[in-house]
Amino acid sequence: AQTVTQSQPEMSVQEAETVTLSCTYDTSENNYYLFWYKQPPSRQMILVIRQEAYKQQNATENRFSVNFQKAAKSFSLKISDSQLGDTAMYFCAFMKHDMRFGAGTRLTVKP
Amino acid sequence: GAGVSQSPSNKVTEKGKDVELRCDPISGHTALYWYRQRLGQGLEFLIYFQGNSAPDKSGLPSDRFSAERTGESVSTLTIQRTQQEDSAVYLCASSSSRDAKIYGYTFGSGTRLTVV
Repeated sequence: AQTVTQSQPEMSVQEAETVTLSCTYDTSENNYYLFWYKQPPSRQMILVIRQEAYKQQNATENRFSVNFQKAAKSFSLKISDSQLGDTAMYFCAFMKHDMRFGAGTRLTVKP
Repeated sequence: GAGVSQSPSNKVTEKGKDVELRCDPISGHTALYWYRQRLGQGLEFLIYFQGNSAPDKSGLPSDRFSAERTGESVSTLTIQRTQQEDSAVYLCASSSSRDAKIYGYTFGSGTRLTVV
């Protein structure tokens, strides 16, 4: 079974600064997909970014980018120019046949 | 519908009672998933339906939990003889087989269950 570990239960960052959230996973699979989801207080899960394991190039979506290290089984999320609206829980997820999630990191962006 | 709809949004029940939670997936999505999220924690996989295949029930925590899905439409998650430890948000998600790896899952807003 795949496990996803997010070692930072809580993090904070000043508005406009950069923050990196860490995620590691354990799998024997070679082809799979990785995701970061954002969950604001509304409970709605919002897809932030995805990465295909067979692609070496790191995914980027506007202010969000990932550092995917396949050999190390690491998939960190970098948020640049943090905004107050980025305050939320962030979940890392691994998918082969279905999606499994980490425990989450609570991010607070401070004005 | 336009999104995944879950009902009720909040449910308070007495310990020992049975509850039913409902999920309406996006029309045309063949796959449907249930997750449990305890307060301040991550999403715990419960069960997965894919088309007409037998569901993957490997995440159900006890035999008090069961789920059904009729074809590729509505699903109900039933918890019998509820316990206080069942208090959590129950999230439902759906996806198409083809698009899950591209777009991930579409989640509902969840049902917050409180057992008193």
